[in-house]
Amino acid sequence: AQSVAQPEDQVNVAEGNPLTVKCTYSVSGNPYLFWYVQYPNRGLQFLLKYITGDNLVKGSYGFEAEFNKSQTSFHLKKPSALVSDSALYFCAVRDGGNQFYFGTGTSLTVIP
Amino acid sequence: GAGVSQSPRYKVAKRGQDVALRCDPISGHVSLFWYQQALGQGPEFLTYFQNEAQLDKSGLPSDRFFAERPEGSVSTLKIQRTQQEDSAVYLCASSLSLSGRDTGELFFGEGSRLTVL
Repeated sequence: AQSVAQPEDQVNVAEGNPLTVKCTYSVSGNPYLFWYVQYPNRGLQFLLKYITGDNLVKGSYGFEAEFNKSQTSFHLKKPSALVSDSALYFCAVRDGGNQFYFGTGTSLTVIP
Repeated sequence: GAGVSQSPRYKVAKRGQDVALRCDPISGHVSLFWYQQALGQGPEFLTYFQNEAQLDKSGLPSDRFFAERPEGSVSTLKIQRTQQEDSAVYLCASSLSLSGRDTGELFFGEGSRLTVL
């Protein structure tokens, strides 16, 4: 079965420090991997995706993610966190079919 | 429109009432999804349309849930005889296409928050 795991419910980081939000996946075949961000009372906004090619993908707002096939991971990273990055982050995987499978989300708090 | 539009944003229903939630996807988007998001959880798949065809409804939790997209654009999610466990945010998302190798990232609306008393 296809699935996504986000092992951390909450991540706290000081402003200006690098941040990492973890995601591991399980899917048959080649995965399509996505990160979304959700601000309070808003819908999910697309950040970035990995389909094929370079394992390091860059997305919106300075975020990037690294696809690691051997570890089945797709961690979200940013070199220098901003207070405005505080939000709920969701990892998702699509297996080539119609369904997207979302993780349970990680709440990121950037401390001024 | 510029983005996915959902209405109503908030709905309070008494247990047993029927509700209808509307989704207006981005113009030209072929694929449309409905998701249910419980508090503190990630979105859970409900159903998927490609144009007017409902290709996957495996996520609908019961036969009280019904979705349609009769003209391949606007979609309505209907919940009959609402129960307290139906309380959640219902998210609609659209995508240009999921055919072939199209990566098809989803564009989400802001959701309809349903509270069943």
